[in-house]
Amino acid sequence: DTGVSQDPRHKITKRGQNVTFRCDPISEHNRLYWYRQTLGQGPEFLTYFQNEAQLEKSRLLSDRFSAERPKGSFSTLEIQRTEQGDSAMYLCASSLSGREVAGYTFGSGTRLTVV
Amino acid sequence: TQLLEQSPQFLSIQEGENLTVYCNSSSVFSSLQWYRQEPGEGPVLLVTVVTGGEVKKLKRLTFQFGDARKDSSLHITAAQPGDTGLYLCAGTNTGNQFYFGTGTSLTVIP
Repeated sequence: DTGVSQDPRHKITKRGQNVTFRCDPISEHNRLYWYRQTLGQGPEFLTYFQNEAQLEKSRLLSDRFSAERPKGSFSTLEIQRTEQGDSAMYLCASSLSGREVAGYTFGSGTRLTVV
Repeated sequence: TQLLEQSPQFLSIQEGENLTVYCNSSSVFSSLQWYRQEPGEGPVLLVTVVTGGEVKKLKRLTFQFGDARKDSSLHITAAQPGDTGLYLCAGTNTGNQFYFGTGTSLTVIP
């Protein structure tokens, strides 16, 4: 297993466009998390899945954001009608439920720039 | 919402010096983790602490969980340039998701 993969690594988009990011977690991990991080700050929790079920969404996740994990494996995060304030690093992480002490394994992130 | 406040926010020290980073909250956590993040990469787990008063050592790094499980500290002895990075604490009280602190950016100057 090569760890958590995120695609693309970088995305530049014009304001108002839609973007979609993909995350492939570690295969045996049943939990998948999305975080957003701005420069020099800690990651902010957006949402998480256990298998295919989305169990929690942050109030930060506006109606323009939607996440899916249709088969309990990879996940996508879509942002509709992007705004400049959406510019950030979007991090995906995975873990195994009941093994939280082992921590999250993070991907390298997708850096979004909205111009 | 950042439930965990870290201090200092920025720290620039000379190689060989010691330093301590603090992570404070008004909430009680069932477990707390420390991560280190390098530019352009995701955070990497350093340690997990689960018991109030627990102390863990990882080479030159010493982690302590407060007795009341509301705060934690990270002490680095004889810092090296390779220690440069963003240090993040993260806590949970449900075991479902961790909330991250505000981060401490450390620069160790050779």
